Amino acid sequence: EADIYQTPRYLVIGTGKKITLECSQTMGHDKMYWYQQDPGMELHLIHYSYGVNSTEKGDLSSESTVSRIRTEHFPLTLESARPSHTSQYLCASSNLRQGAKDTQYFGPGTRLTVL
Amino acid sequence: AQSVSQHNHHVILSEAASLELGCNYSYGGTVNLFWYVQYPGQHLQLLLKYFSGDPLVKGIKGFEAEFIKSKFSFNLRKPSVQWSDTAEYFCAVNRETDSWGKLQFGAGTQVVVTP
Repeated sequence: EADIYQTPRYLVIGTGKKITLECSQTMGHDKMYWYQQDPGMELHLIHYSYGVNSTEKGDLSSESTVSRIRTEHFPLTLESARPSHTSQYLCASSNLRQGAKDTQYFGPGTRLTVL
Repeated sequence: AQSVSQHNHHVILSEAASLELGCNYSYGGTVNLFWYVQYPGQHLQLLLKYFSGDPLVKGIKGFEAEFIKSKFSFNLRKPSVQWSDTAEYFCAVNRETDSWGKLQFGAGTQVVVTP
């Protein structure tokens, strides 16, 4: 079992609220990722980071933002949640050693519902 | 645009039956190929991966996959499934030249093994 944690696991919230999804890993990995997944659909990369103070947008446009102030922590924030943000959000990490060959380790996910 | 296609969204089969899940990708150039699995209530985890060499690669729990370059395919197989193989299976691809290791996932195949 990989040492990567996400909280909360489930979140139901009203439109317009600000939310932060937490992701932490204890493996010392430099690379971290956020994916968004709708039921029956692919995981889409929305953000990634290769280290502290580095963040990049992924292939799928997202209104969320991320920060990487500490190696082990990669939170995702939605300033004003909308029903279109309802989805599952998966966090992952990998080390820098093998580049594209690295295995990504995933957290349990946060299932977000915006009413 | 690059894509990863998994042909079956749902597969139901009996214990001891053979399983084959199809995966095709549309990337050009050298790629790395992965199969991830998500068992009920668990994290997404790596099942096996292929980088180069023998196109038949073996993974955990008796799974194997065959890379056929001419067909842009990386099909997953298991000769005899068990009830515990009930899970969702995701094929993923990245470019060897991408040091970020950004993965493109298929939509997943839900496999249900009946006793």
